Amino acid sequence: GESVGLHLPTLSVQEGDNSIINCAYSNSASDYFIWYKQESGKGPQFIIDIRSNMDKRQGQRVTVLLNKTVKHLSLQIAATQPGDSAVYFCAENIPTSNYKLTFGKGTLLTVNP
Amino acid sequence: DSGVTQTPKHLITATGQRVTLRCSPRSGDLSVYWYQQSLDQGLQFLIQYYNGEERAKGNILERFSAQQFPDLHSELNLSSLELGDSALYFCASSPRNSGGYTFGSGTRLTVV
Repeated sequence: GESVGLHLPTLSVQEGDNSIINCAYSNSASDYFIWYKQESGKGPQFIIDIRSNMDKRQGQRVTVLLNKTVKHLSLQIAATQPGDSAVYFCAENIPTSNYKLTFGKGTLLTVNP
Repeated sequence: DSGVTQTPKHLITATGQRVTLRCSPRSGDLSVYWYQQSLDQGLQFLIQYYNGEERAKGNILERFSAQQFPDLHSELNLSSLELGDSALYFCASSPRNSGGYTFGSGTRLTVV
């Protein structure tokens, strides 16, 4: 299918390595953040979320870190697998925007076997 | 299967035409959001409905309109189509008037 990542930042890792995907968000008032994974030809899929009163949250093989001081969010994927290859988006929830999510541009992760 | 159903999956139409995209939210979800995804613009918010009422509008063109019906399904109407309207259109739903959406698999619109 058509790629959504032609002009995106890219990250290429070896299978088994850890991956770190970064995101700078836009609004200091944002109170909720989500990472989505989008595979080619599919809709974005929820991975993990974090509220602004937390600095870190862990899921299965994934960890999200939030640094509100510099408005930075990161997604760490442990033991990256070929099935993790996708575009990853961060999204922020700005309370004054009536809860619509604002998405970043995305990062294309390629896992080499 | 995310539980959010979008139809059709693919649509090819000519410039100047009008199309309707349909979305059925997850069971129990009251909010429906429409997003447009193009290669150079990323995911752009179009419009949100909550329990039948419009709640938020993004950079939605006047040629585009949407509604949410009593059974909570939603339709996005695109008229006077232009080549630049070619994109993926996603619908997402959430239980309340809040973030944390579940996305459908999208409708790929090609205007020729």
